Amino acid sequence: GAGVSQSPSNKVTEKGKDVELRCDPISGHTALYWYRQSLGQGLEFLIYFQGNSAPDKSGLPSDRFSAERTGGSVSTLTIQRTQQEDSAVYLCASSLAGGLSGNTIYFGEGSWLTVV
Amino acid sequence: LAKTTQPISMDSYEGQEVNITCSHNNIATNDYITWYQQFPSQGPRFIIQGYKTKVTNEVASLFIPADRKSSTLSLPRVSLSDTAVYYCLVGVWASKIIFGSGTRLSIRP
Repeated sequence: GAGVSQSPSNKVTEKGKDVELRCDPISGHTALYWYRQSLGQGLEFLIYFQGNSAPDKSGLPSDRFSAERTGGSVSTLTIQRTQQEDSAVYLCASSLAGGLSGNTIYFGEGSWLTVV
Repeated sequence: LAKTTQPISMDSYEGQEVNITCSHNNIATNDYITWYQQFPSQGPRFIIQGYKTKVTNEVASLFIPADRKSSTLSLPRVSLSDTAVYYCLVGVWASKIIFGSGTRLSIRP
């Protein structure tokens, strides 16, 4: 597609359940980012993938959060045993190969997660 | 990624020119300066990017002085629809990108 695609756009889940959020980056973009944004708050970095390099997981808030990127394209963010504080919009972004100044990142519309 | 400092909030009126300044004292030689705009319930959207002097596109202008330690995003003749949060980012896109708090711009009739 022309832009970063995320699914589902909205997800309501019960506390304790696992959820999977999917991100399909722009074709040809090797860098992929996940962010989380709670209502009225700033963007919180979660994880960064660049090509075949080991991902930067330094932003993941707990071991309940994990992400993978298969074949250097689609990424899945998994939250296990969801808690109410996980409720937020999860934003995915992608950009061209890293290491070059002048690249820009493009965001998807986000996946809105509500844990009840 | 170079640390940036920008005002937390700004107010203006429709039809006015709005200038938002970002300080980035430790900008590196290879760093670009990029501004993003975020509306409520949406992901951030690229506005403009520059390296030095002045850049202009259909949405905004970006002014960068010779020492590159600051930059100013200029929005001409703002409208109510320009109400958003504006983020200034500086760096090389080879690693994680940390967004600051941004500037919350409110436009009044």
